[in-house]
Amino acid sequence: GQQVMQIPQYQHVQEGEDFTTYCNSSTTLSNIQWYKQRPGGHPVFLIQLVKSGEVKKQKRLTFQFGEAKKNSSLHITATQTTDVGTYFCAGASYDSGYSTLTFGKGTMLLVSP
Amino acid sequence: DTGVSQNPRHKITKRGQNVTFRCDPISEHNRLYWYRQTLGQGPEFLTYFQNEAQLEKSRLLSDRFSAERPKGSFSTLEIQRTEQGDSAMYLCASSLLAASYEQYFGPGTRLTVT
Repeated sequence: GQQVMQIPQYQHVQEGEDFTTYCNSSTTLSNIQWYKQRPGGHPVFLIQLVKSGEVKKQKRLTFQFGEAKKNSSLHITATQTTDVGTYFCAGASYDSGYSTLTFGKGTMLLVSP
Repeated sequence: DTGVSQNPRHKITKRGQNVTFRCDPISEHNRLYWYRQTLGQGPEFLTYFQNEAQLEKSRLLSDRFSAERPKGSFSTLEIQRTEQGDSAMYLCASSLLAASYEQYFGPGTRLTVT
């Protein structure tokens, strides 16, 4: 079945440093979504990417979808303590008929002031 | 509050007991999903409904698990003969139509099986 892998599993940065998490799927994706889960909270939708090579920005966050639609990345510029949480990518594959999302294990981000 | 709600928020049960969780999705959302999440893992898909029809179940889902969405509104997830390995956070999410639409998650029900 489809697998979605994320690296790193964990990253600890100083406030103001940049952060990047990478997501790789074993199968071609129809779209990829990114979610953020704060400690003790539930996943909250950040963005969806659909097109090959797509790049989207939300303030300090930049999301990319690979040309082959099998990988994606999230880059945060100048992290803040409010960025703390676990970031998940989730892909919908052609194999699943686009109907379900497979989540990665997430990257936990800790930001020290 | 018009978000996704789940009840109860916490459930402690003894091994072998049955438990039932409820999810109330955002009212205009057609799709409702159930996930299970354990520490250090992403949400694991269990099953989903489009309106009242259950369209897919995870192949990994035990026969002890059953879900319903009788009127296409709220949904229940029942676990029969609970086992310690069932201890997890059970998340419900809803979306307008398909996986191409963002999913809105509820706060989850944390199950502890002793």
